[in-house]
Amino acid sequence: GNSVTQMEGPVTLSEEAFLTINCTYTATGYPSLFWYVQYPGEGLQLLLKATKADDKGSNKGFEATYRKETTSFHLEKGSVQVSDSAVYFCALGDRRSGDDKIIFGKGTRLHILP
Amino acid sequence: DAGVIQSPRHEVTEMGQEVTLRCKPISGHDYLFWYRQTMMRGLELLIYFNNNVPIDDSGMPEDRFSAKMPNASFSTLKIQPSEPRDSAVYFCASSLGRGDNYNEQFFGPGTRLTVL
Repeated sequence: GNSVTQMEGPVTLSEEAFLTINCTYTATGYPSLFWYVQYPGEGLQLLLKATKADDKGSNKGFEATYRKETTSFHLEKGSVQVSDSAVYFCALGDRRSGDDKIIFGKGTRLHILP
Repeated sequence: DAGVIQSPRHEVTEMGQEVTLRCKPISGHDYLFWYRQTMMRGLELLIYFNNNVPIDDSGMPEDRFSAKMPNASFSTLKIQPSEPRDSAVYFCASSLGRGDNYNEQFFGPGTRLTVL
């Protein structure tokens, strides 16, 4: 079945550091891939998405490229800020296989130190 | 659009009491999802609806939990009787279910439930 694996946290970085959060997936079809972010005390919100291989999703300085050959969708940001402290979820949705749900990873907590 | 609306935002109750959580999805969205989030178990899908019909309730922990969607703009999640282990944040999410944004889900702010 479909699944998502992301690196365990917490990840602690200093402000302006480079960020990578790894995410790999297993899917039988051609899924769409997502990164969601959850700020303290809030619900999850979509950060970026990619719907087919080689697509790059980007938003708020974050980027992730859909790599079919390595089944990966790693999240990157060149210079993090304290306000980026949150929990990040990698997720997969596979509508072509008839799955209405999104499969979420376990989440990676990110702490940015000033 | 106001986004997904959940009420109440916080609920504190005593063991054995009935708890009802409410959700208003985004207008025009065909799918509604109920999740539970705890530190121990992370984010769990409890049940989801398509056009007001329950499609998959395999995540509902036990018979004490029930969910309904009487119309396209309202859903409830009920716990009766509640137990301390039900303490969690409960999220409602909705998705369009059509086009390029088929799977994209929009989450509400959550209801933090504490059962004493």
